Amino acid sequence: DTGVSQNPRHKITKRGQNVTFRCDPISEHNRLYWYRQTLGQGPEFLTYFQNEAQLEKSRLLSDRFSAERPKGSFSTLEIQRTEQGDSAMYLCASSSSGTPNVLTFGAGSRLTVL
Amino acid sequence: DAKTTQPNSMESNEEEPVHLPCNHSTISGTDYIHWYRQLPSQGPEYVIHGLTSNVNNRMASLAIAEDRKSSTLILHRATLRDAAVYYCILRDVNYGGSQGNLIFGKGTKLSVKP
Repeated sequence: DTGVSQNPRHKITKRGQNVTFRCDPISEHNRLYWYRQTLGQGPEFLTYFQNEAQLEKSRLLSDRFSAERPKGSFSTLEIQRTEQGDSAMYLCASSSSGTPNVLTFGAGSRLTVL
Repeated sequence: DAKTTQPNSMESNEEEPVHLPCNHSTISGTDYIHWYRQLPSQGPEYVIHGLTSNVNNRMASLAIAEDRKSSTLILHRATLRDAAVYYCILRDVNYGGSQGNLIFGKGTKLSVKP
């Protein structure tokens, strides 16, 4: 297993377009998280899955954001009608039930909205 | 979760020990102390965690004050690769009702001089 994989690593889009990011967690991890990080700030929590169930959503996750984890493996984060304020690094992490607070993060997907 | 306070930045010389402080005066009895670090252009990386006793692993040591109101992450011999932002995070062992949400502050930016 090569860790948490995120694609694409970079995405440049125009305001109003939709974008989708994919996260492939460590295979034996049943918990998956999405965070957002803007320049100079620490990561901010967006949402959390245990298996295929989305158990928590942050207030930061507006109606334009949707996350899925259909089979409890990979996850997608879609942003509809992107705005310039959505420009950020989107980080995915996973963990196991045995060590739930030991998160393994991916390298992130950087979004630039023009 | 209780709040942590860290210096914005610190400097170290290569091959010397580094002591990164974290204050958490409002820590509760069930809060674990976690440390993550984030290297440039990468996602955060788990470093170490502890509850009451000092902890050692291959990456670092965690020294926890007797009253648990502060802790120190110790890198025994800093290398250039240790230059990163270090985050000190408290996490209730019972999650405080929120299983997904590790709250990252701004952390301490560590610079290592050759």
